[in-house]
Amino acid sequence: NAGVMQNPRHLVRRRGQEARLRCSPMKGHSHVYWYRQLPEEGLKFMVYLQKENIIDESGMPKERFSAEFPKEGPSILRIQQVVRGDSAAYFCASSRPGVTEAFFGQGTRLTVV
Amino acid sequence: EDQVTQSPEALRLQEGESSSLNCSYTVSGLRGLFWYRQDPGKGPEFLFTLYSAGEEKEKERLKATLTKKESFLHITAPKPEDSATYLCAVQASTGNTPLVFGKGTRLSVIA
Repeated sequence: NAGVMQNPRHLVRRRGQEARLRCSPMKGHSHVYWYRQLPEEGLKFMVYLQKENIIDESGMPKERFSAEFPKEGPSILRIQQVVRGDSAAYFCASSRPGVTEAFFGQGTRLTVV
Repeated sequence: EDQVTQSPEALRLQEGESSSLNCSYTVSGLRGLFWYRQDPGKGPEFLFTLYSAGEEKEKERLKATLTKKESFLHITAPKPEDSATYLCAVQASTGNTPLVFGKGTRLSVIA
């Protein structure tokens, strides 16, 4: 059973470009969470999605950031017009309905130059 | 607001020197407390879930315990391969809530 798959592992974008981060949850998992991690900082919650629904986006900046989890295909975290401050590691986690344990992917490291 | 504080920030141990990591939390009703291990450049790896005060779980050289205010991760006779950052997180019992993480304890075990 493959784990949570994230791609790309590393992404370099110039300021003003768009970044698209993809996350395929574990088989049987319909809940997806996105977190951001800065050096020396803890994991900060961004958004919680179920298939075709955003459940909680309280941790996501109101502008430039969006997330989706379509009926078919991976979850996408989209950052428009990236700025240097967006440079971080972005992690996706997934869980099964009614189960508290969440399993993480290896992350996407975004560098904005 | 739910909060998690981990101490110490960093811990350096000799191989075989047992110790404990602390996780203090405040949460509006605890649904679960989680421990993860994170190696440099990798994603967090799930270790344990604890649900109620008094509960204990063990895995190899690690044992996690839980009280109403804090959790401890005990490391017995650590080896260099136990070196990693250990993360603690809580989930509140109110609705569909995400995990709230502490900043972690960076453990180094020296041979």
